[in-house]
Amino acid sequence: AQSVTQLDSQVPVFEEAPVELRCNYSSSVSVYLFWYVQYPNQGLQLLLKYLSGSTLVKGINGFEAEFNKSQTSFHLRKPSVHISDTAEYFCAVSDPGNKLVFGAGTILRVKS
Amino acid sequence: DTEVTQTPKHLVMGMTNKKSLKCEQHMGHRAMYWYKQKAKKPPELMFVYSYEKLSINESVPSRFSPECPNSSLLNLHLHALQPEDSALYLCASSQGGTGGYIQYFGAGTRLSVL
Repeated sequence: AQSVTQLDSQVPVFEEAPVELRCNYSSSVSVYLFWYVQYPNQGLQLLLKYLSGSTLVKGINGFEAEFNKSQTSFHLRKPSVHISDTAEYFCAVSDPGNKLVFGAGTILRVKS
Repeated sequence: DTEVTQTPKHLVMGMTNKKSLKCEQHMGHRAMYWYKQKAKKPPELMFVYSYEKLSINESVPSRFSPECPNSSLLNLHLHALQPEDSALYLCASSQGGTGGYIQYFGAGTRLSVL
């Protein structure tokens, strides 16, 4: 069975600083990995996905993530954050049946 | 257009009421999903419809009854709910029911059961 561990429940960071949100996964089958963002009182928006191919994946809003099979990780990074990036971020893994399993989430708090 | 529309946005109901949540997409997607999200928790899968047939039921209590009238619509019928069922209910859709397809989410219905 698939599972996802997000290692940090909250990450505080100052505006314009770099940030990394950590995600480790466990899967016994082909891996499809996703990062979603959820702003307060809203649904989930896809930031980026890894299905196959290049291990460095670029997404929306300047985010990128690197798939590392040996370390079973899919960490999310942004070189310079903005106040508007304050939100909750979910890492998720999908099995071949498209069942999506989410990590517990990481709240990113950007401070001015 | 990657929009999934959910109505209503907010719903308050008593434990003896019957109500329905609605979800609509016009992207030609053939898989649709219901998730439940409690406060400060990740979404949890409830049901999956693939090509208008129920393919996954994650052991959800029978007071939740899904329905897929056609490929664009997904309903969740609610009856005799408990206060612990109060949550954000999210609908999603994807191109197909196999792995690797992006799931697009609606804004959710925030349900309060009194």
